[in-house]
Amino acid sequence: DVKVTQSSRYLVKRTGEKVFLECVQDMDHENMFWYRQDPGLGLRLIYFSYDVKMKEKGDIPEGYSVSREKKERFSLILESASTNQTSMYLCAAGSASYTFGSGTRLTVV
Amino acid sequence: GNSVTQMEGPVTLSEEAFLTINCTYTATGYPSLFWYVQYPGEGLQLLLKATKADDKGSNKGFEATYRKETTSFHLEKGSVQVSDSAVYFCALSGGGSNYKLTFGKGTLLTVNP
Repeated sequence: DVKVTQSSRYLVKRTGEKVFLECVQDMDHENMFWYRQDPGLGLRLIYFSYDVKMKEKGDIPEGYSVSREKKERFSLILESASTNQTSMYLCAAGSASYTFGSGTRLTVV
Repeated sequence: GNSVTQMEGPVTLSEEAFLTINCTYTATGYPSLFWYVQYPGEGLQLLLKATKADDKGSNKGFEATYRKETTSFHLEKGSVQVSDSAVYFCALSGGGSNYKLTFGKGTLLTVNP
């Protein structure tokens, strides 16, 4: 099974900071995904990537960017964090079904 | 576009009760269907899946049947345990080359002893 590791379980950042969320998979999957999870809204896709240096916008890309310089690593970047980006962020990898990381709970104050 | 609608929670049951969580979908083509489970403080785990009409996915006593005629994929378990307390997500994959998953909003299940 693919293992997906997110670098932080909890983060607290200040409004306006640039925030990096890191995700690493330990197998050779082309597809990686970033979702945010909010109560009552479920999971919403932010960005995804099919391969190194390839990226596509999901349903809610505004305020975010991504980087995929190596196949195993997919980073989510909050260019200027805002309080409405306080959320649980989940990274996933896979094709027919996904393996998820444990999530990063980000609080922007 | 694709969408998934699942019953709103929370759902509270006593141990050994029968569980049904309804899920219906809208999709073009022939999607694959999934149930994921999220235990407290953890990420999502694949519970079961079905890739074509009339397939039944099953795992850990949970079952769901892919019903194309009713566009449904309801999750069932005959006898729930306290350890089944979690959030359950129905999802679909539109197929093709990108394997994007579309999720329902999740249903919180609490099982009391």
